[in-house]
Amino acid sequence: DSGVTQTPKHLITATGQRVTLRCSPRSGDLSVYWYQQSLDQGLQFLIQYYNGEERAKGNILERFSAQQFPDLHSELNLSSLELGDSALYFCASSSGTGGGRQFFGPGTRLTVL
Amino acid sequence: GEDVEQSLFLSVREGDSSVINCTYTDSSSTYLYWYKQEPGAGLQLLTYIFSNMDMKQDQRLTVLLNKKDKHLSLRIADTQTGDSAIYFCAEMTNTGNQFYFGTGTSLTVIP
Repeated sequence: DSGVTQTPKHLITATGQRVTLRCSPRSGDLSVYWYQQSLDQGLQFLIQYYNGEERAKGNILERFSAQQFPDLHSELNLSSLELGDSALYFCASSSGTGGGRQFFGPGTRLTVL
Repeated sequence: GEDVEQSLFLSVREGDSSVINCTYTDSSSTYLYWYKQEPGAGLQLLTYIFSNMDMKQDQRLTVLLNKKDKHLSLRIADTQTGDSAIYFCAEMTNTGNQFYFGTGTSLTVIP
């Protein structure tokens, strides 16, 4: 158990809908990272937050947004969903800003029908 | 963009050593990582190495980094059936704190 929690575990929705994925980092970690893992794209870094502020941005679509709250949990919002957004979404946390040890949550499996 | 490449499959006999290789293209990497993903599970950090190091050993795991050739390897000694999983290498670059993952190598350990 990495100490990172993600909810929900599974999510099934329809095209055009909006969903919110939630992540709670390990106790004491200030950085949260979001990743998307799909069969055709592999594991892609989406975005990083550190202590409430956006720190780094990867291959995140404009339809997606994220935020980190004062209690350090983070939410990833996916809107206008398309079939190709079906994937596993992982959250990871670390204590610092610059990488080092990242601990991954169990992931949320999103299926868009 | 950055390319991180791994061979897709590796098969070894139980008790043998496994060597999983990874190549990357960005010379500004700061950290390089190895993660393990078992079926239906999240990624588990196995080990990581700073880019100014050549080698790191942690019990059965040995990481070798050849920065000149941009080549990273993970050696698992005395491979066990429980080591069967997908192994991802990843790098973090110092240009905008970007993270790049390899395609993953599926390791199968034959009893």
